[in-house]
Amino acid sequence: DSGVTQTPKHLITATGQRVTLRCSPRSGDLSVYWYQQSLDQGLQFLIQYYNGEERAKGNILERFSAQQFPDLHSELNLSSLELGDSALYFCASSARQSSSPLHFGNGTRLTVT
Amino acid sequence: QQQVKQSPQSLIVQKGGISIINCAYENTAFDYFPWYQQFPGKGPALLIAIRPDVSEKKEGRFTISFNKSAKQFSLHIMDSQPGDSATYFCAASADSGGSNYKLTFGKGTLLTVNP
Repeated sequence: DSGVTQTPKHLITATGQRVTLRCSPRSGDLSVYWYQQSLDQGLQFLIQYYNGEERAKGNILERFSAQQFPDLHSELNLSSLELGDSALYFCASSARQSSSPLHFGNGTRLTVT
Repeated sequence: QQQVKQSPQSLIVQKGGISIINCAYENTAFDYFPWYQQFPGKGPALLIAIRPDVSEKKEGRFTISFNKSAKQFSLHIMDSQPGDSATYFCAASADSGGSNYKLTFGKGTLLTVNP
Protein backbone atom coordinates (compact mmCIF):
# COMPACT_ATOMS: atom_id res chain seq x y z
CA ASP A 1 0.00 0.00 0.00
CA SER A 2 1.55 3.28 -1.18
CA GLY A 3 -0.47 5.44 1.18
CA VAL A 4 -1.94 7.44 -1.71
CA THR A 5 -5.73 7.15 -1.94
CA GLN A 6 -7.69 7.78 -5.10
CA THR A 7 -11.44 7.84 -5.49
CA PRO A 8 -13.46 6.65 -7.25
CA LYS A 9 -11.81 3.50 -8.60
CA HIS A 10 -14.04 3.40 -11.65
CA LEU A 11 -16.06 6.06 -13.40
CA ILE A 12 -18.32 5.62 -16.39
CA THR A 13 -19.82 8.69 -17.96
CA ALA A 14 -21.07 10.06 -21.25
CA THR A 15 -19.44 12.39 -23.72
CA GLY A 16 -19.82 16.05 -22.85
CA GLN A 17 -20.06 15.42 -19.14
CA ARG A 18 -17.82 16.64 -16.31
CA VAL A 19 -16.18 14.51 -13.63
CA THR A 20 -13.99 15.08 -10.60
CA LEU A 21 -11.25 12.69 -9.50
CA ARG A 22 -9.98 12.88 -5.95
CA CYS A 23 -6.58 12.15 -4.45
CA SER A 24 -5.29 12.07 -0.88
CA PRO A 25 -1.48 12.08 -0.75
CA ARG A 26 0.69 10.17 1.70
CA SER A 27 0.85 11.72 5.12
CA GLY A 28 3.45 14.48 5.09
CA ASP A 29 3.86 14.68 1.32
CA LEU A 30 3.44 18.20 -0.01
CA SER A 31 3.61 17.47 -3.74
CA VAL A 32 0.84 15.91 -5.77
CA TYR A 33 1.26 14.85 -9.39
CA TRP A 34 -1.42 13.75 -11.84
CA TYR A 35 -0.65 11.33 -14.66
CA GLN A 36 -2.77 9.89 -17.44
CA GLN A 37 -2.08 6.35 -18.60
CA SER A 38 -3.30 5.05 -21.92
CA LEU A 39 -2.17 2.14 -24.09
CA ASP A 40 -0.79 4.30 -26.87
CA GLN A 41 0.67 7.20 -24.87
CA GLY A 42 1.91 5.43 -21.76
CA LEU A 43 2.21 7.46 -18.56
CA GLN A 44 1.85 11.14 -19.39
CA PHE A 45 2.44 13.86 -16.83
CA LEU A 46 -0.50 16.25 -16.53
CA ILE A 47 0.11 18.66 -13.68
CA GLN A 48 1.86 19.08 -10.34
CA TYR A 49 0.90 20.96 -7.20
CA TYR A 50 3.16 21.74 -4.28
CA ASN A 51 1.63 22.86 -1.00
CA GLY A 52 -1.41 24.28 -2.73
CA GLU A 53 0.34 25.99 -5.62
CA GLU A 54 0.62 24.84 -9.21
CA ARG A 55 4.27 24.08 -9.96
CA ALA A 56 4.38 22.41 -13.35
CA LYS A 57 2.14 21.64 -16.28
CA GLY A 58 2.57 18.88 -18.76
CA ASN A 59 0.32 17.59 -21.50
CA ILE A 60 -2.88 18.76 -19.85
CA LEU A 61 -5.80 19.78 -22.01
CA GLU A 62 -7.55 23.10 -21.43
CA ARG A 63 -10.70 21.13 -20.61
CA PHE A 64 -8.87 19.68 -17.62
CA SER A 65 -8.03 21.51 -14.42
CA ALA A 66 -6.80 20.64 -10.98
CA GLN A 67 -6.35 22.12 -7.56
CA GLN A 68 -4.77 21.23 -4.24
CA PHE A 69 -6.62 22.16 -1.07
CA PRO A 70 -5.24 23.35 2.29
CA ASP A 71 -5.47 19.81 3.67
CA LEU A 72 -3.24 18.81 0.69
CA HIS A 73 -5.77 16.58 -1.04
CA SER A 74 -6.12 17.25 -4.73
CA GLU A 75 -8.88 17.09 -7.31
CA LEU A 76 -8.61 16.70 -11.07
CA ASN A 77 -11.57 18.09 -12.98
CA LEU A 78 -12.26 16.82 -16.48
CA SER A 79 -14.95 18.59 -18.50
CA SER A 80 -16.57 18.32 -21.94
CA LEU A 81 -15.44 14.74 -21.94
CA GLU A 82 -14.60 12.99 -25.20
CA LEU A 83 -14.21 9.31 -26.00
CA GLY A 84 -10.46 9.80 -26.18
CA ASP A 85 -10.33 10.87 -22.55
CA SER A 86 -10.99 7.29 -21.51
CA ALA A 87 -7.88 6.25 -19.60
CA LEU A 88 -6.42 5.49 -16.21
CA TYR A 89 -5.69 8.59 -14.17
CA PHE A 90 -3.06 8.27 -11.48
CA CYS A 91 -2.21 10.54 -8.64
CA ALA A 92 1.24 10.40 -7.05
CA SER A 93 2.76 12.20 -4.12
CA SER A 94 6.27 12.90 -2.97
CA ALA A 95 8.14 14.46 -0.11
CA ARG A 96 9.87 17.77 -0.52
CA GLN A 97 13.37 16.42 -1.07
CA SER A 98 14.88 16.77 -4.54
CA SER A 99 14.15 13.95 -6.92
CA SER A 100 12.51 11.85 -4.23
CA PRO A 101 10.41 8.85 -5.19
CA LEU A 102 6.90 9.33 -6.42
CA HIS A 103 4.34 7.10 -4.70
CA PHE A 104 1.36 6.27 -6.86
CA GLY A 105 -2.22 5.52 -5.97
CA ASN A 106 -4.12 2.73 -7.68
CA GLY A 107 -5.75 5.07 -10.11
CA THR A 108 -9.20 5.95 -11.36
CA ARG A 109 -10.31 4.18 -14.51
CA LEU A 110 -12.41 6.59 -16.56
CA THR A 111 -14.62 5.28 -19.33
CA VAL A 112 -16.37 7.79 -21.55
CA THR A 113 -19.20 6.32 -23.62
CA GLN B 1 9.37 14.34 -28.03
CA GLN B 2 10.07 11.14 -26.18
CA GLN B 3 12.79 11.92 -23.68
CA VAL B 4 13.12 8.38 -22.32
CA LYS B 5 13.18 5.48 -24.77
CA GLN B 6 12.58 2.00 -23.40
CA SER B 7 13.10 -1.38 -25.00
CA PRO B 8 11.95 -4.03 -25.57
CA GLN B 9 8.16 -3.49 -25.55
CA SER B 10 7.66 -7.04 -24.38
CA LEU B 11 9.89 -9.78 -23.02
CA ILE B 12 9.35 -13.46 -22.34
CA VAL B 13 11.79 -15.22 -20.02
CA GLN B 14 11.91 -18.68 -18.53
CA LYS B 15 11.83 -19.10 -14.77
CA GLY B 16 15.33 -18.73 -13.39
CA GLY B 17 16.54 -16.69 -16.34
CA ILE B 18 17.79 -13.11 -16.50
CA SER B 19 15.46 -10.34 -17.66
CA ILE B 20 17.10 -7.23 -19.12
CA ILE B 21 15.27 -4.01 -19.94
CA ASN B 22 17.06 -1.03 -21.42
CA CYS B 23 16.41 2.71 -21.40
CA ALA B 24 18.07 5.67 -23.05
CA TYR B 25 17.58 9.31 -22.25
CA GLU B 26 18.31 12.60 -23.95
CA ASN B 27 18.14 15.24 -21.25
CA THR B 28 21.55 15.55 -19.58
CA ALA B 29 19.91 17.42 -16.70
CA PHE B 30 18.25 14.22 -15.50
CA ASP B 31 19.69 13.27 -12.12
CA TYR B 32 17.38 10.57 -10.81
CA PHE B 33 16.50 7.32 -12.53
CA PRO B 34 13.90 5.04 -10.94
CA TRP B 35 12.31 1.86 -12.16
CA TYR B 36 8.67 1.15 -11.46
CA GLN B 37 6.78 -2.13 -11.49
CA GLN B 38 3.09 -2.21 -12.31
CA PHE B 39 0.67 -5.10 -11.90
CA PRO B 40 -2.74 -5.07 -13.60
CA GLY B 41 -5.23 -2.92 -11.73
CA LYS B 42 -2.54 -1.31 -9.59
CA GLY B 43 -0.52 1.85 -9.72
CA PRO B 44 3.19 1.84 -10.53
CA ALA B 45 5.31 0.94 -7.52
CA LEU B 46 8.90 2.02 -7.04
CA LEU B 47 11.26 -0.92 -7.49
CA ILE B 48 14.76 0.54 -7.40
CA ALA B 49 16.39 3.86 -8.27
CA ILE B 50 19.84 5.22 -9.06
CA ARG B 51 21.57 8.56 -9.26
CA PRO B 52 24.30 9.30 -11.83
CA ASP B 53 27.14 9.32 -9.31
CA VAL B 54 27.20 5.51 -9.26
CA SER B 55 27.36 3.03 -12.12
CA GLU B 56 25.46 0.18 -10.50
CA LYS B 57 22.97 -0.43 -7.72
CA LYS B 58 21.76 -3.79 -6.54
CA GLU B 59 18.78 -4.64 -4.36
CA GLY B 60 18.14 -8.35 -4.02
CA ARG B 61 17.54 -9.82 -7.47
CA PHE B 62 17.21 -6.39 -9.08
CA THR B 63 20.19 -4.42 -10.42
CA ILE B 64 20.36 -1.09 -12.22
CA SER B 65 23.36 -0.49 -14.47
CA PHE B 66 23.99 3.13 -15.40
CA ASN B 67 26.20 4.50 -18.20
CA LYS B 68 26.33 8.27 -17.96
CA SER B 69 28.45 8.83 -21.08
CA ALA B 70 26.11 6.74 -23.22
CA LYS B 71 23.03 8.18 -21.48
CA GLN B 72 21.69 4.70 -20.93
CA PHE B 73 20.53 2.65 -17.98
CA SER B 74 19.16 -0.83 -17.65
CA LEU B 75 17.32 -3.10 -15.24
CA HIS B 76 18.51 -6.65 -14.70
CA ILE B 77 16.26 -9.13 -12.93
CA MET B 78 18.23 -12.18 -11.86
CA ASP B 79 16.60 -15.56 -11.26
CA SER B 80 13.34 -14.28 -12.76
CA GLN B 81 10.19 -15.70 -11.17
CA PRO B 82 6.59 -15.97 -12.45
CA GLY B 83 5.64 -13.43 -9.77
CA ASP B 84 7.87 -10.91 -11.54
CA SER B 85 5.47 -10.92 -14.49
CA ALA B 86 4.38 -7.29 -14.72
CA THR B 87 4.93 -4.12 -16.71
CA TYR B 88 8.18 -2.30 -15.94
CA PHE B 89 8.72 1.39 -16.52
CA CYS B 90 11.96 3.29 -16.47
CA ALA B 91 11.76 6.96 -15.63
CA ALA B 92 13.91 10.02 -15.12
CA SER B 93 13.64 13.38 -13.46
CA ALA B 94 15.64 16.54 -13.03
CA ASP B 95 15.58 19.19 -10.38
CA SER B 96 14.25 22.05 -12.50
CA GLY B 97 13.68 24.23 -9.50
CA GLY B 98 10.52 25.20 -7.65
CA SER B 99 10.09 21.77 -6.08
CA ASN B 100 9.16 20.29 -9.45
CA TYR B 101 10.54 16.79 -9.74
CA LYS B 102 8.14 15.31 -12.24
CA LEU B 103 9.04 11.95 -13.70
CA THR B 104 9.26 11.32 -17.42
CA PHE B 105 8.45 7.70 -18.14
CA GLY B 106 9.45 5.24 -20.80
CA LYS B 107 6.66 3.43 -22.67
CA GLY B 108 6.96 0.31 -20.53
CA THR B 109 8.01 -3.32 -20.98
CA LEU B 110 5.58 -6.18 -20.44
CA LEU B 111 7.57 -8.98 -18.81
CA THR B 112 6.24 -12.52 -18.81
CA VAL B 113 8.11 -15.15 -16.85
CA ASN B 114 7.10 -18.66 -17.82
CA PRO B 115 7.15 -21.38 -15.14
